[in-house]
Amino acid sequence: GQQLNQSPQSMFIQEGEDVSMNCTSSSIFNTWLWYKQEPGEGPVLLIALYKAGELTSNGRLTAQFGITRKDSFLNISASIPSDVGIYFCAGPNFGNEKLTFGTGTRLTIIP
Amino acid sequence: NAGVTQTPKFRVLKTGQSMTLLCAQDMNHEYMYWYRQDPGMGLRLIHYSVGEGTTAKGEVPDGYNVSRLKKQNFLLGLESAAPSQTSVYFCASGFARKLFFGSGTQLSVL
Repeated sequence: GQQLNQSPQSMFIQEGEDVSMNCTSSSIFNTWLWYKQEPGEGPVLLIALYKAGELTSNGRLTAQFGITRKDSFLNISASIPSDVGIYFCAGPNFGNEKLTFGTGTRLTIIP
Repeated sequence: NAGVTQTPKFRVLKTGQSMTLLCAQDMNHEYMYWYRQDPGMGLRLIHYSVGEGTTAKGEVPDGYNVSRLKKQNFLLGLESAAPSQTSVYFCASGFARKLFFGSGTQLSVL
């Protein structure tokens, strides 16, 4: 089956720093989604991308749909304590309603 | 404003026991999904449904059955629980590939 590899697996940063993470696929996707999961909760949708090259922002978060259609990137600017959590990328194959999720990037903010 | 509701939130089973996890959504979504989440492995799709009366296999369907008798409900069944099914189970509903998740069921099989 499909695999989505996220990098890095974990990040330890100080409040105020910018964050970058990425997701790569073994096959082409026509949609990329980014989710955030906080402890004890289900993932929450942050950003959805539908077109190669698309750049979309949600507050301090910006995500990009890679032009090869096999990768996507998420950036967080000026991190704050509530950014802590696990960030997942997800995507479907063409014509398929099954979403595959990446293994996640765990973000920890050092006081 | 409930969204996606999962019951129960926690459950402990003995090997071989059966149980059903219930998922209910009030957003009138056609698509519903069951995922399991294990440490270091992200979310893996068990089964999904594209509408009332339909179900399909996901990535890890063995040992599970599902039913979608009503549009708002999606049931996940374990007929004979095994320790390998210890996990956190998430239900989701959605449209246009945007999924909305419940808060999860922590299942332990001893």
